[in-house]
Amino acid sequence: DSGVTQTPKHLITATGQRVTLRCSPRSGDLSVYWYQQSLDQGLQFLIHYYNGEERAKGNILERFSAQQFPDLHSELNLSSLELGDSALYFCASSLSPVPGYQETQYFGPGTRLLVL
Amino acid sequence: AQSVTQLDSQVPVFEEAPVELRCNYSSSVSVYLFWYVQYPNQGLQLLLKYLSGSTLVKGINGFEAEFNKSQTSFHLRKPSVHISDTAEYFCAVSDQSRTDKLIFGTGTRLQVFP
Repeated sequence: DSGVTQTPKHLITATGQRVTLRCSPRSGDLSVYWYQQSLDQGLQFLIHYYNGEERAKGNILERFSAQQFPDLHSELNLSSLELGDSALYFCASSLSPVPGYQETQYFGPGTRLLVL
Repeated sequence: AQSVTQLDSQVPVFEEAPVELRCNYSSSVSVYLFWYVQYPNQGLQLLLKYLSGSTLVKGINGFEAEFNKSQTSFHLRKPSVHISDTAEYFCAVSDQSRTDKLIFGTGTRLQVFP
């Protein structure tokens, strides 16, 4: 158990809908990262938040957005869902992203999203 | 920009045999390198990481990896595998100046047979 929790574990929805995925980082971790794992794209970095502020963006679609709240939990919002958005969405956390030093990222169990 | 290539999508091996999972990377800047393991229906767990120093890195569960800068490789090895090592293994790289962005390879499925 990494200490990172994600809810829900599974989500089934229809095209065009909007969903929210939730992540609670390990106690004391200030950074939250979101990744998407799909069969065709593999594991891709989406976005990183540190202490409530966006720090880095990866291959995140404009239909997707995220935020990190004062209690440090994070939500990933996916809107206008398409079939191709079906994937496993991981959240990871680390203490802080110190430039030049690699903090280990601890991954949650993921949320499996199926868009029908 | 960095990229990671995992040359084998699947590696079948018998229990107690040695195994090597190959990883090559491409980058114009200095990088940090990682191996993560994903067991069925679970998240990713860090096996080991290379930041600096000795090019031979030892990780958890008896795994080790060797950083070879001239060949831009970071192959993962284990001298004797167990059934419980059956999982997906991901090699990843990050820019030393942007340590928050991990770039992952496509993964290698290690299947250990009795």
